[in-house]
Amino acid sequence: EAGVTQSPRYAVLQEGQAVSFWCDPISGHDTLYWYQQPRDQGPQLLVYFRDEAVIDNSQLPSDRFSAVRPKGTNSTLKIQSAKQGDTATYLCASSPLTGDTGQLYFGEGSKLTVL
Amino acid sequence: GDSVTQTEGLVTLTEGLPVMLNCTYQTAYSTFLFWYVQHLNEAPKLLLKSSTDNKRTEHQGFHATLHKSSSSFHLQKSSAQLSDSALYYCALSHGGSGNKLIFGTGTLLSVKP
Repeated sequence: EAGVTQSPRYAVLQEGQAVSFWCDPISGHDTLYWYQQPRDQGPQLLVYFRDEAVIDNSQLPSDRFSAVRPKGTNSTLKIQSAKQGDTATYLCASSPLTGDTGQLYFGEGSKLTVL
Repeated sequence: GDSVTQTEGLVTLTEGLPVMLNCTYQTAYSTFLFWYVQHLNEAPKLLLKSSTDNKRTEHQGFHATLHKSSSSFHLQKSSAQLSDSALYYCALSHGGSGNKLIFGTGTLLSVKP
């Protein structure tokens, strides 16, 4: 079974530039999560979807960050006008509809450096 | 609100010595607790999970027991190996499909020869 796939693996930007990260979850997983993991910190939830609907985006900086999952499969996280404080690894994860443990399956992440 | 506390940022051990990484949590709801391990430049992967009070759960030589009375889920291993060097995250979830994980800050375990 293929795991969660993310691209690009690395991105280096100047402040003010934009970047998009793409995530392909495990087939059949209805829930998709985006986490931000700053260096030396634990993952922090930005947003998550069930199918194409946003369930919780309360931690997403809405002025510069946006996330979509238009067909309930792949998802894109976009950062506009990046700041140095956005430097982090962006992790995508998915989980299946069935099962009741809340276990997530993570991709390898997209590492962003904003200079 | 819900929270997970890992008090040690870095634990350095000599190979062969026992491992204990601390995890406590706060929540008002029934809970699943997890340990995820993240090796350098890899995705976090599930190591252990539990929702049953006072029941030991084991995987890959590691074990943990959820103690609801003390809100703890400490990770242990009897003998550290060099390959155990990694970041370890404790996390909680309220279970059910589509529920989010709340992570602690992580503990970096460094095992030296």
